[in-house]
Amino acid sequence: GAVVSQHPSRVICKSGTSVKIECRSLDFQATTMFWYRQFPKKSLMLMATSNEGSKATYEQGVEKDKFLINHASLTLSTLTVTSAHPEDSSFYICSARRLAGGRDTQYFGPGTRLTVL
Amino acid sequence: GESVGLHLPTLSVQEGDNSIINCAYSNSASDYFIWYKQESGKGPQFIIDIRSNMDKRQGQRVTVLLNKTVKHLSLQIAATQPGDSAVYFCAENVDGTSYGKLTFGQGTILTVHP
Repeated sequence: GAVVSQHPSRVICKSGTSVKIECRSLDFQATTMFWYRQFPKKSLMLMATSNEGSKATYEQGVEKDKFLINHASLTLSTLTVTSAHPEDSSFYICSARRLAGGRDTQYFGPGTRLTVL
Repeated sequence: GESVGLHLPTLSVQEGDNSIINCAYSNSASDYFIWYKQESGKGPQFIIDIRSNMDKRQGQRVTVLLNKTVKHLSLQIAATQPGDSAVYFCAENVDGTSYGKLTFGQGTILTVHP
């Protein structure tokens, strides 16, 4: 099956610093990747759609200047949480869209646990 | 807005029993549905999908049923095992729009007792 990785898996940072999270599709090319946020015992909340070579599309209520997304290649998208605060602590998950064999499927990364002190 | 929801937030079963997880969706335009399994601290894992031109699809130990009349989706797990314990999410998509953007349901916690 298709593999998507995230790095780091866990990060702890001080309030006011910026954190970058990488999402890579390891064995397929993804022109579209998605970034989600998940709180404990809650569902996934889509933050933004990341498109290779163009600007990301943010969901309503998500600050684009705070959550910077860069999709520099067909296998890599990055999410940078700028000036992080404790309320940004969450589980961030990316997915990569794969179009193959007439199927349109999202494959998810393992997630990144962000803790802001 | 349109959303996908679940009838039961938790489900406890005995090992070996069959499990049924339900999902209701509200967007009548949705034509592609997926079930994901998420274990604690991990990302969602694809289980099975179904398109709206089908009403049933089977995989290994899993079956997805789609009832478009009442906008209902279910996941059946046969001979449930302790390793099946996880949170299960249904997700919907309107094909050909929004770059494949999915809308997720709230999730059902499945606990399998040995």
